[in-house]
Amino acid sequence: DAKTTQPPSMDCAEGRAANLPCNHSTISGNEYVYWYRQIHSQGPQYIIHGLKNNETNEMASLIITEDRKSSTLILPHATLRDTAVYYCIVRVGTGGSYIPTFGRGTSLIVHP
Amino acid sequence: ETGVTQTPRHLVMGMTNKKSLKCEQHLGHNAMYWYKQSAKKPLELMFVYNFKEQTENNSVPSRFSPECPNSSHLFLHLHTLQPEDSALYLCASSQDGQGARNEKLFFGSGTQLSVL
Repeated sequence: DAKTTQPPSMDCAEGRAANLPCNHSTISGNEYVYWYRQIHSQGPQYIIHGLKNNETNEMASLIITEDRKSSTLILPHATLRDTAVYYCIVRVGTGGSYIPTFGRGTSLIVHP
Repeated sequence: ETGVTQTPRHLVMGMTNKKSLKCEQHLGHNAMYWYKQSAKKPLELMFVYNFKEQTENNSVPSRFSPECPNSSHLFLHLHTLQPEDSALYLCASSQDGQGARNEKLFFGSGTQLSVL
């Protein structure tokens, strides 16, 4: 199973870019990298996903290294509401099904 | 609003009670999931249903009994729980849990369960 490694915590000043790293050195060629975030006591929220190319949507940007062994989630202008736990996961295949497995994630604190 | 609704939002129950958690999704998805999140721990997958059939049971104790009557509804029946079962129980859905590598999960807000 491809596993991910994230720093347990980070902080960022409001209005600045938040860059959250993730290592996934055992990722397979056909596995996607997903990012979710979880605000306290709520369900995780999908942010973005990618396979090889960099991706951008209204919430964030995802930069994946050429060897696909790591990625970075970028929140370009962090706000206080971005304070949450951010999870980087790889869709893990078991048999014919693909089960998302969540680790401990990175607790991001955005301060004024 | 994610399109996945969980009820109740909070539940307190004794160890001898029987209760049920309900999840409903309005997204037309075919796969539904139960996750458990204990305090300060990662989410733990409990069950997966795909097209109403259970496809994953992650060694969950029998005091947790899932039911999926149709693709839009998922229940978790609880009986004779222990205090250590107190946790946030999250339901999620995705378009199709089998073989689709680029699916997004949509989560409900969860049920915060306290077992006394």
